[in-house]
Amino acid sequence: EVQVVESGGGLVKPGGSLRLSCAASGFSFSNAWMSWVRQAPGKGLEWVGRIKSKTDGGTTDYAAPVKGRFTISRDDSKNTLYLQMNSLKTEDTAVYYCTTLDGNGWFRNWGQGTLVTVSS
Amino acid sequence: EIVLTQSPATLSLSPGERATLSCRATQSVSSYLAWYQQKPGQAPRLLIYDASNRATGIPARFSGSGSGTDFTLTISSLEPEDFAVYYCQQRSNWPPTFGQGTKVEVK
Repeated sequence: EVQVVESGGGLVKPGGSLRLSCAASGFSFSNAWMSWVRQAPGKGLEWVGRIKSKTDGGTTDYAAPVKGRFTISRDDSKNTLYLQMNSLKTEDTAVYYCTTLDGNGWFRNWGQGTLVTVSS
Repeated sequence: EIVLTQSPATLSLSPGERATLSCRATQSVSSYLAWYQQKPGQAPRLLIYDASNRATGIPARFSGSGSGTDFTLTISSLEPEDFAVYYCQQRSNWPPTFGQGTKVEVK
């Protein structure tokens, strides 16, 4: 069974940093393209960024609001995806979901999400 | 960036009724459109991809149609578990974007 489980959320002050993790199982993580999607409280879904598999170059892409502040990385030996968030702003408060991207680019499997609250 | 506008914002229906949800794009996305269902406190779930293909395990009462800029998600006969928020999403143009959602609630 495909499973992705996020962790690392919490309360952080504006300007602070946080690293989220996403543990993957039940599929070939090293061959998977992965993505982060977030959802502010009571709001809709917003794509955050994507990382390709290393065999496809391992490159990353980011949404404009987080570019330069957030970094996605992966450790294929640990089947784990990361989201390093720096210079956090109050508007980054959201549930952050880890998702798999299928071969056609759709968000196929989702974790349960982890809440990040940026507040003083 | 492509903006997706969903209508209506809220749909009030009874179990057994037909639900018709709309998603309109600011420019053509061809058939590169998906629908997701999200229940309270849960992660979204992929229902429909490439405008009309049901994802694995999705019941046949869910169907998608459309191409270009206008898309429809139809639930032929609402089951109690179908009351939720539905989002459309395009991947035709970078970055991928979502609609603001349609809430299907019990009348």
